[in-house]
Amino acid sequence: QKEVEQNSGPLSVPEGAIASLNCTYSDRGSQSFFWYRQYSGKSPELIMFIYSNGDKEDGRFTAQLNKASQYVSLLIRDSQPSDSATYLCASHRGGNQFYFGTGTSLTVIP
Amino acid sequence: EAGVAQSPRYKIIEKRQSVAFWCNPISGHATLYWYQQILGQGPKLLIQFQNNGVVDDSQLPKDRFSAERLKGVDSTLKIQPAKLEDSAVYLCASSPQGRYYEQYFGPGTRLTVT
Repeated sequence: QKEVEQNSGPLSVPEGAIASLNCTYSDRGSQSFFWYRQYSGKSPELIMFIYSNGDKEDGRFTAQLNKASQYVSLLIRDSQPSDSATYLCASHRGGNQFYFGTGTSLTVIP
Repeated sequence: EAGVAQSPRYKIIEKRQSVAFWCNPISGHATLYWYQQILGQGPKLLIQFQNNGVVDDSQLPKDRFSAERLKGVDSTLKIQPAKLEDSAVYLCASSPQGRYYEQYFGPGTRLTVT
């Protein structure tokens, strides 16, 4: 069983819509969670991190964490073509224990 | 502020050869990470340094991979001998001390083993 699971997609949404990206994790000891954006051929960029149950908002992005269900999500409001990328979910338990999912490919259609 | 620098950007070698990658983190960042990202997968953490000491190298295949961070700044990752399955992008990242949630990635080195 993988530590972090993501639907690889591709996920397509029209411009201006809400994109919803989901992630589940297997280790209940995981403490914090991250969403990275990775454009094709580029390195990952941190979008948000979350460690408390509930929602965390930053501009058009909202991260949601439900520790009871071991579920993390990222909502992108007013999606733009420039949001088209692969979105990586990652968990951190402590020390060296970072685990990334395989990523979800998002395409925003103009 | 300059970002994380890595070199070379691309490398092609034959199996059983050796290769080395170099990383220069963001100035002042105490923590340095090396990741391996195979095509279509997420990054896999290989090793983490805090200043010039190893925090954890449990995911580093030590029979062929080695890494060092002399003087707590630059780092090198070496593979000897390389195997076909080592073909991947090797990413270096750094973060300020105690702020593991602020990892900044370098552009990566794309390794192809033939």
